[in-house]
Amino acid sequence: EAEVAQSPRYKITEKSQAVAFWCDPISGHATLYWYRQILGQGPELLVQFQDESVVDDSQLPKDRFSAERLKGVDSTLKIQPAELGDSAMYLCASSLTVAGDEQFFGPGTRLTVL
Amino acid sequence: TQLLEQSPQFLSIQEGENLTVYCNSSSVFSSLQWYRQEPGEGPVLLVTVVTGGEVKKLKRLTFQFGDARKDSSLHITAAQPGDTGLYLCAARDKLIFGTGTRLQVFP
Repeated sequence: EAEVAQSPRYKITEKSQAVAFWCDPISGHATLYWYRQILGQGPELLVQFQDESVVDDSQLPKDRFSAERLKGVDSTLKIQPAELGDSAMYLCASSLTVAGDEQFFGPGTRLTVL
Repeated sequence: TQLLEQSPQFLSIQEGENLTVYCNSSSVFSSLQWYRQEPGEGPVLLVTVVTGGEVKKLKRLTFQFGDARKDSSLHITAAQPGDTGLYLCAARDKLIFGTGTRLQVFP
């Protein structure tokens, strides 16, 4: 069964360091999403891609976060420099199209900033 | 800011009990979704409700969309330990998730 892949599953870093997360969506899914989820709360959208283009990055803290999906397939989310408050689960999801289709989530990357 | 407020925030019950989780908003949505998330995993879609007043059943789970399409509820009958997890409602068209309800079912 097709799944969304994410790596690493866990990342521990010190504040002010740079971190990067990778996501490989389900093959053929044009839309890719990055969410941040603080423990016990609902995910919050950071950025949404349609193919290689950013559709919505209004909630992305652009002073330290960046995201790219250069070839419209896999995607990288980067944080530089990391801050203590960035500790969270970073979830990637994909859907066939933008509107209304089911989102399939990856297992997430658990980030701890010390 | 559009918010989806869930209640209760935490629920700890014995196996066999019934429970209801609520998802409320002041905004109208074209549809609402319910997800379940287990520790260390991403959310998994349970159901999408689209029509005001709609009721959908998934085995022991019953989902209802409010008539005004501002709220939804999830009712679980005879809860089992396997139902343990974080339950999230979501507005798919707005990509907004609710605040979450953490359910623990003890054997």
